[in-house]
Amino acid sequence: RKEVEQDPGPFNVPEGATVAFNCTYSNSASQSFFWYRQDCRKEPKLLMSVYSSGNEDGRFTAQLNRASQYISLLIRDSKLSDSATYLCVVRGAAGNKLTFGGGTRVLVKP
Amino acid sequence: ETGVTQSPTHLIKTRGQQVTLRCSSQSGHNTVSWYQQALGQGPQFIFQYYREEENGRGNFPPRFSGLQFPNYSSELNVNALELDDSALYLCASSSNRNGYNEQFFGPGTRLTVL
Repeated sequence: RKEVEQDPGPFNVPEGATVAFNCTYSNSASQSFFWYRQDCRKEPKLLMSVYSSGNEDGRFTAQLNRASQYISLLIRDSKLSDSATYLCVVRGAAGNKLTFGGGTRVLVKP
Repeated sequence: ETGVTQSPTHLIKTRGQQVTLRCSSQSGHNTVSWYQQALGQGPQFIFQYYREEENGRGNFPPRFSGLQFPNYSSELNVNALELDDSALYLCASSSNRNGYNEQFFGPGTRLTVL
């Protein structure tokens, strides 16, 4: 079993719609959680950290469920520019290693 | 732009050869992590360097080795290249070893092994 698992998609989303997807992680000792965004053939960039209480950044909302060991990302009012691969990232207790999921591809269409 | 630079941007090698990839960290950052990203997959942690010492390693064989220099720039060396080493190699710099400060990624080096 992979340490961090994501639905690879693609999620085809009409512009203006809402899309949500999850990722699951296997190590219950994981300390921190993040969503990164990666555009085609570019480097990953931090989208947002994920806090236990859930957090929102504009149109993006992230949730963490420690009991079930999953995190989620919801994108409201999708824009064409939201088309990208979203990487779920987990940091372990040692703090020196980020473990990435395989990514969820989102395609926003007019 | 993150201020993290990598060279070269692209590289083509043949099986059995050796390669050195370079990374310059963002100003003020003392930690560099290296990742391998195969096509269609997420980045996989290779190792991390903190103040010139290796500080953690992923599941990669010893033919993957690295260095960090006093100015905190870093090199990734891969010996005896295999076809499966074809990937995007990303380095990321940060300012703290164990407490989490955001890792900023460079644009990557795309390695093709023929």
